[in-house]
Amino acid sequence: EVQLVQSGAEVKKPGESLKISCKGSGYSFTSYWIGWVRQMPGKGLEWMGIIYPGDSDTRYSPSFQGQVTISADKSISTAYLQWSSLKASDTAMYYCVRSSIEFGELLEMDYWGQGTLVTVSS
Amino acid sequence: QPVLTQPTSLSASPGASARFTCTLRSGINVGTYRIYWYQQKPGSLPRYLLRYKSDSDKQQGSGVPSRFSGSKDASTNAGLLLISGLQSEDEADYYCAIWYSSTHVVFGGGTKLTVL
Repeated sequence: EVQLVQSGAEVKKPGESLKISCKGSGYSFTSYWIGWVRQMPGKGLEWMGIIYPGDSDTRYSPSFQGQVTISADKSISTAYLQWSSLKASDTAMYYCVRSSIEFGELLEMDYWGQGTLVTVSS
Repeated sequence: QPVLTQPTSLSASPGASARFTCTLRSGINVGTYRIYWYQQKPGSLPRYLLRYKSDSDKQQGSGVPSRFSGSKDASTNAGLLLISGLQSEDEADYYCAIWYSSTHVVFGGGTKLTVL
């Protein structure tokens, strides 16, 4: 059974750093892309970026480029999303998702992690 | 103007059909894109429903009933999600998405479906 299991909720202060994780199981972790999707409170879905754990090829949405860092450790089938300096506006639910690419097009996000709620407040 | 525009809300009666639109920004041709649809029920994580580019290039998500289907309206440059035989459990937010500019995914703002 394919599973993406994310790390638990976080409460942080503005300016702090944070790294959240997403562990994949039940499939070949290095054969699929892992992406991150943000959902701010009461708002819609926003795609942040993706990584291919096989070779760490990483792509970012223009909206999130430079704001976050996506990484992966294929030895433990885990992807990460990190911030160096959080802002109150980073308060959101963050989902990791699995996708594949076909002829250069990212296909559907077929499996979703349970979400990690990040709260940034002074 | 957003890349993808969805109406904020839609209401329909049980047993009826619902038609969701996802309009691509002027200058972006719906014919060249696969449109992906996701459902998010209240308090739940999103779920992939289906993708549609043409009748020969479409895919239903795993376990998604056939009463969910995709289509396009070239005259309005829109992707469509159609749900027939509406059930109360279909109440949810529905998001469309595309792989835009060969570089990143863009979501529409989502449409909230009320079944009443």
